[in-house]
Amino acid sequence: EAGVVQSPRYKIIEKKQPVAFWCNPISGHNTLYWYLQNLGQGPELLIRYENEEAVDDSQLPKDRFSAERLKGVDSTLKIQPAELGDSAVYLCASSLEGGVAGVDTQYFGPGTRLTVL
Amino acid sequence: AQKVTQAQTEISVVEKEDVTLDCVYETRDTTYYLFWYKQPPSGELVFLIRRNSFDEQNEISGRYSWNFQKSTSSFNFTITASQVVDSAVYFCALSSSGGNEKLTFGTGTRLTIIP
Repeated sequence: EAGVVQSPRYKIIEKKQPVAFWCNPISGHNTLYWYLQNLGQGPELLIRYENEEAVDDSQLPKDRFSAERLKGVDSTLKIQPAELGDSAVYLCASSLEGGVAGVDTQYFGPGTRLTVL
Repeated sequence: AQKVTQAQTEISVVEKEDVTLDCVYETRDTTYYLFWYKQPPSGELVFLIRRNSFDEQNEISGRYSWNFQKSTSSFNFTITASQVVDSAVYFCALSSSGGNEKLTFGTGTRLTIIP
């Protein structure tokens, strides 16, 4: 079974430029998460989707970050414009029936390492 | 608020030694779940174990074992007979049930196994 797929793996941009990350979850997983991981830290949740609906976006900086999961499968996270402080690893995860039968295990992709110059 | 503390920032041991990674958590929930993930240099977080708050039985999986003690709010992870392939950053994480799927992670412990 294929795991969570993310692309690109690495991205280098100049500040004020836009950037987008793509995630394809494990087949059949209805819950999708985007996490931000700063160097030397644990991941922090940015947004969680149940199918197409963003059910927790309280930690998403909405002035410059946006996300979508139009068909309830893959998802895109965008930053516009990027700032120096956005340099980090952006991780996508998915789980099955998140929140319905209790907490379910989240499986993570390899992440996208963003460098903003 | 939930909190996970991994006080050990870095640990180095010689191959074949046993090593224990500490995890202390804080939560007001009576039902919660604890996790351990491994993050090798490739960057992907690899799921190792999930334990719910009602199951304090220790678990062993091959060279890995976990000790869950509610009395001390700890969920420690032991690797027996360590191998070089165990070198990675290990994260402990906490989540509550009831629809809140957010994982609260510790800051991780970087484990280096010296050949």
